[in-house]
Amino acid sequence: QKEVEQDPGPLSVPEGAIVSLNCTYSNSAFQYFMWYRQYSRKGPELLMYTYSSGNKEDGRFTAQVDKSSKYISLFIRDSQPSDSATYLCAMSPLANSGGSNYKLTFGKGTLLTVNP
Amino acid sequence: DAGITQSPRHKVTETGTPVTLRCHQTENHRYMYWYRQDPGHGLRLIHYSYGVKDTDKGEVSDGYSVSRSKTEDFLLTLESATSSQTSVYFCAISYREGEQYFGPGTRLTVT
Repeated sequence: QKEVEQDPGPLSVPEGAIVSLNCTYSNSAFQYFMWYRQYSRKGPELLMYTYSSGNKEDGRFTAQVDKSSKYISLFIRDSQPSDSATYLCAMSPLANSGGSNYKLTFGKGTLLTVNP
Repeated sequence: DAGITQSPRHKVTETGTPVTLRCHQTENHRYMYWYRQDPGHGLRLIHYSYGVKDTDKGEVSDGYSVSRSKTEDFLLTLESATSSQTSVYFCAISYREGEQYFGPGTRLTVT
């Protein structure tokens, strides 16, 4: 079992739809959970950053973490064509003194297309 | 913009030649990373650094070496490029646990 699993899609939705993106993981040591957005031929851009369990909201984006189920989600409300991108989940455990736990483990990404 | 630049942005090279990619940051952060991104594999960590002259291997380090003689620069070297190293290479920096910011990438083709 891979440490982080993410459905690669592709996912195609009409403009205005609510989008749900998900990742599951197996390493119970993960404490930090991130979502990155990557436009074609660009670098990943940090979208949401969450520590431990719970929800975090930023505009049209909501990140949820359920550590008991080892499951994280990103919801996009009122999706726009400009949201069309690949979305990557990432996670890491607490850092230790050597810094090795600053390493992130990534999902493979979900390609989202929002159609006008 | 996290103050990260990568050079070159595009490079085509021949099998067996050495190649060095440069990552430069303007914000004096301690942690820097090199990733490669390939279809079907996602982002994979090659090497990382947690300070000047302090580096360690990631999950796909074979065929790559790194150096960090200054806080702001992290170099990735392919000693003898192979076609399997054709990829997009991203540099990242970190200044908070778990949080990384990526550069624009270098697209490398090995013929």
